[in-house]
Amino acid sequence: QVQLQESGPGLVRPSQTLSLTCTVSGGSISSKSHYWSWIRQHSVNGLEWIGYIYYSGGADYNPSLKSRVTISLDSSKNQFSLRVKSVTAADTAVYFCARVPVDESGYPLNFDFWGQGALVTVSS
Amino acid sequence: QSALTQPASVSGSPGQSITISCTGTSSDFGGYNLVSWYQQHPDKAPKLIIYGVNKRPSGVSDRFSASKSGNTASLTISGLRPEDESDYYCCSYTGGTTTLVFGGGTKVTVL
Repeated sequence: QVQLQESGPGLVRPSQTLSLTCTVSGGSISSKSHYWSWIRQHSVNGLEWIGYIYYSGGADYNPSLKSRVTISLDSSKNQFSLRVKSVTAADTAVYFCARVPVDESGYPLNFDFWGQGALVTVSS
Repeated sequence: QSALTQPASVSGSPGQSITISCTGTSSDFGGYNLVSWYQQHPDKAPKLIIYGVNKRPSGVSDRFSASKSGNTASLTISGLRPEDESDYYCCSYTGGTTTLVFGGGTKVTVL
């Protein structure tokens, strides 16, 4: 059974960088059959896809966040990470990491396993 | 692409069937049948219940079914049970600049 677990600071100061790590167990982050994604959820809004990263290290981001977001892989630790720079209160949300199975053409099929979520508050 | 449009809330009595719509533009669905649905209970992570428009992962009740016609995807819950009371989200691969988009979510209430 694949498990994902987010970790990182729960409080970030405005204009600083938000950093979260997702540790994957029960599956390899080097799998060519999966992408690894971050999604966030504001308290009053729904889910927002942030981006995902492939086994090769290539990534795809939501255009609304692309200028501030970086997702990276650490295969040696079976982890992937999220960095959001220049944060504001609008970045306060629960951040989820999730696994994305892909088909033979590389199309993302769904988010099949999720972490429990990490609340990040942006406040001075 | 903007978020897909879902009704804010849907309710039904135990045993009834309800349907949640998920409406977008042709670019939101991108001509692909890569629509998925998620159930989220309070303070929990979303759970995949439908993928590929109408496929269920192992272990998901067959009371959940889904379809897609044109620019609208739909999730139907049959034989509504108290434990179905939850938030439900649709998601689609667009193939566009915003690769994946979610619906705004629908709160299902079991009366």
